[in-house]
Amino acid sequence: DAGVTQSPTHLIKTRGQHVTLRCSPISGHKSVSWYQQVLGQGPQFIFQYYEKEERGRGNFPDRFSARQFPNYSSELNVNALLLGDSALYLCASSVFGRDETQYFGPGTRLLVL
Amino acid sequence: RKEVEQDPGPFNVPEGATVAFNCTYSNSASQSFFWYRQDCRKEPKLLMSVYSSGNEDGRFTAQLNRASQYISLLIRDSKLSDSATYLCVVNNNNAGNMLTFGGGTRLMVKP
Repeated sequence: DAGVTQSPTHLIKTRGQHVTLRCSPISGHKSVSWYQQVLGQGPQFIFQYYEKEERGRGNFPDRFSARQFPNYSSELNVNALLLGDSALYLCASSVFGRDETQYFGPGTRLLVL
Repeated sequence: RKEVEQDPGPFNVPEGATVAFNCTYSNSASQSFFWYRQDCRKEPKLLMSVYSSGNEDGRFTAQLNRASQYISLLIRDSKLSDSATYLCVVNNNNAGNMLTFGGGTRLMVKP
């Protein structure tokens, strides 16, 4: 069975641009969460979506937005990129989105120049 | 103060050694606890869940002390392949499925 998939694997952008990252959860999983991992730190929670509705939002600016589609895949959008947005962006999926094991995708490595 | 605190290490140990990692968390409402393993430039992978009664999986033993808000991971008979960063993770289930990660503890097992 396929695990969580993310695209693209790597991305280079310049300050001020916007970026869209994509995630497909494990088949049968209805919840997707997004995390940002800056080098040398643990992942930080950005958003959780369940059944296409936002279930949780971390302490990130409004430049960060996300959505979930009817097939449960998800997009994370970041506008007006800053150098500090350079990080590994991880997507995690779970079945119901509450008190469950989350399975992480390989991540998208974003570099902002 | 960070919500989940870990000693960043690195812990450099010889093969066959026993090594212990500790972690403290600040949110007394946290209800689920985990250890994840992350290899260099890879995604985190669940190592084990942590229960108040303690749990063991082969060479790995995890313990939770709710009163002290303290979580531990013990690795016995270390292997070279255990070299990785170990992330202590808590989930305040009242907030959905939001995982809060510690900064990770780096382990290097040497021949």
